Amino acid sequence: AQSVTQPDIHITVSEGASLELRCNYSYGATPYLFWYVQSPGQGLQLLLKYFSGDTLVQGIKGFEAEFKRSQSSFNLRKPSVHWSDAAEYFCAVGDWDNQGGKLIFGQGTELSVKP
Amino acid sequence: DAGITQSPRYKITETGRQVTLMCHQTWSHSYMFWYRQDLGHGLRLIYYSAAADITDKGEVPDGYVVSRSKTENFPLTLESATRSQTSVYFCASNSGGGHGYTFGSGTRLTVV
Repeated sequence: AQSVTQPDIHITVSEGASLELRCNYSYGATPYLFWYVQSPGQGLQLLLKYFSGDTLVQGIKGFEAEFKRSQSSFNLRKPSVHWSDAAEYFCAVGDWDNQGGKLIFGQGTELSVKP
Repeated sequence: DAGITQSPRYKITETGRQVTLMCHQTWSHSYMFWYRQDLGHGLRLIYYSAAADITDKGEVPDGYVVSRSKTENFPLTLESATRSQTSVYFCASNSGGGHGYTFGSGTRLTVV
């Protein structure tokens, strides 16, 4: 069965430091992969997505993610974290077994940013 | 305004009552989804719909009913609410073809 694992439930980084959030997936075919961000009390906003092609994907707010098929990973990175990046981050895989498909989410990683 | 709208934003209901959460999208997207979000579980799919009058169960469908008589609306009904259904519910839509999903702002439901 398709699944997504985010090994880190909570991460704290200092403002200005680099960030990497881990995501591992299990999917039988070439995956469609997504990262979403959720600020407290808000809905989910798409940061970036990978469908095919270049394995390094650029997203909004200075985020990027790298698809590594050999490691079944799609880690999210940012070179310099801002206090406003504090939020919960969700990795998801698109299950396109049927038309349109559905997203399967990881459990989320909560990011705290120290001043 | 175009978008995906959920109502109500907050709801408190009693155990055993029926409650319906509304979802409306203005894009005419074919695909719509209901997720629930709980601590430690991320978002789990309840039901989804590929088109009007076509719905299917997701990961956690028990206790929920959906309908989709019009493309733009996808209501979620809790037939007899239980405390375990206290959660934040998100509706989403997708145009198909692997594009990203757009989520509503969520409904926070408390069952007492």
